[in-house]
Amino acid sequence: GENVEQHPSTLSVQEGDSAVIKCTYSDSASNYFPWYKQELGKRPQLIIDIRSNVGEKKDQRIAVTLNKTAKHFSLHITETQPEDSAVYFCAASVTGNQFYFGTGTSLTVIP
Amino acid sequence: DGGITQSPKYLFRKEGQNVTLSCEQNLNHDAMYWYRQDPGQGLRLIYYSQIVNDFQKGDIAEGYSVSREKKESFPLTVTSAQKNPTAFYLCASSKGLAGGHVAYEQYFGPGTRLTVT
Repeated sequence: GENVEQHPSTLSVQEGDSAVIKCTYSDSASNYFPWYKQELGKRPQLIIDIRSNVGEKKDQRIAVTLNKTAKHFSLHITETQPEDSAVYFCAASVTGNQFYFGTGTSLTVIP
Repeated sequence: DGGITQSPKYLFRKEGQNVTLSCEQNLNHDAMYWYRQDPGQGLRLIYYSQIVNDFQKGDIAEGYSVSREKKESFPLTVTSAQKNPTAFYLCASSKGLAGGHVAYEQYFGPGTRLTVT
């Protein structure tokens, strides 16, 4: 089955700096890559997603890039704010039957 | 927060007892999922269902059972056969596949934290 690896496991940045989280996947058939944000004690919520026919997608301060050849995708957060502090999960799916999640990155934005 | 609900938020059980976690959605989604979340391990799929009266095992189905008698409901039973049941359990739903091969965004419930002693 699919194997998704996520790095780093923890990340601290100064407010206003950028944060980058990287994920790799093993199944070349995977074609949908969502990113979820989970605040402490709350449910994961989708922040951005990308499909395999697109190389990059942006939504305000958040962007995701996908390199199908290398089988990796990354989350970029610019101009970080304290409210960006949370755990971020990447995931990969082929058909939507199963989603394979990374182990999460705990992001701390220092004011 | 409407959409997808789970109850209870916290659940305590003695070892050897079966326990059922509730998951209900009013999003008219076809697909529903159960995940287990442990510290440092991300989300792992227990079971998923694409349609009423049908469900499939995920990567860690042993010791769990589910049913899907209604589109809105997908309860999970943690049986006494599950060796390490203490965890945070998340239910999710999505638009589903409609016979195709397209993945859609998952919407998560608030979770149930199960503690077994």
